[in-house]
Amino acid sequence: NAGVTQTPKFQVLKTGQSMTLQCAQDMNHEYMSWYRQDPGMGLRLIHYSVGAGITDQGEVPNGYNVSRSTTEDFPLRLLSAAPSQTSVYFCASNPRGNTEAFFGQGTRLTVV
Amino acid sequence: GQQVMQIPQYQHVQEGEDFTTYCNSSTTLSNIQWYKQRPGGHPVFLIQLVKSGEVKKQKRLTFQFGEAKKNSSLHITATQTTDVGTYFCAGRASYGKLTFGQGTILTVHP
Repeated sequence: NAGVTQTPKFQVLKTGQSMTLQCAQDMNHEYMSWYRQDPGMGLRLIHYSVGAGITDQGEVPNGYNVSRSTTEDFPLRLLSAAPSQTSVYFCASNPRGNTEAFFGQGTRLTVV
Repeated sequence: GQQVMQIPQYQHVQEGEDFTTYCNSSTTLSNIQWYKQRPGGHPVFLIQLVKSGEVKKQKRLTFQFGEAKKNSSLHITATQTTDVGTYFCAGRASYGKLTFGQGTILTVHP
């Protein structure tokens, strides 16, 4: 099993550009989440989903959109990139309930 | 909203010394999880604590969950260079949401 796969691994955007960070899991997990990691801030939850068709906002949702049309995929869309969105983004998945989260390898995004 | 605070932010130790990181939640948690992130890597699950006052051990690592289920700690005995990385606690209070602490960056000097 591949686990949680994120693409791309690295990305440089210009301010105002849009893009989609891809996340796919092959473990049939119901829960999926997006986090951003910034120095000294830990992992902050952007959006999460408890199943296909169900999404909700996390701690820092502004500037990001998500959708969950299938169990496997949970893309994160940046609508109009800003330098403040320079960060490392992690996607995670876990089965229903209070269980461990499995993380992807991360996407390092720089907005110039 | 729920907040999870973790201290210290940094810890430098000599190899062989002990290390402890502490985690406090603003709300009562249904469970708490601990993760380790190696430099340049992604967080990897270590353990989950569920019961009030629970203590679990993994070799040199000891994890505790407070009686009120609002705080937790991770203690590493006799650190090794392989212990370097960032240690995160993460609390789950509501359906589906896992809130992470800021993490403690551990450096071990040989």
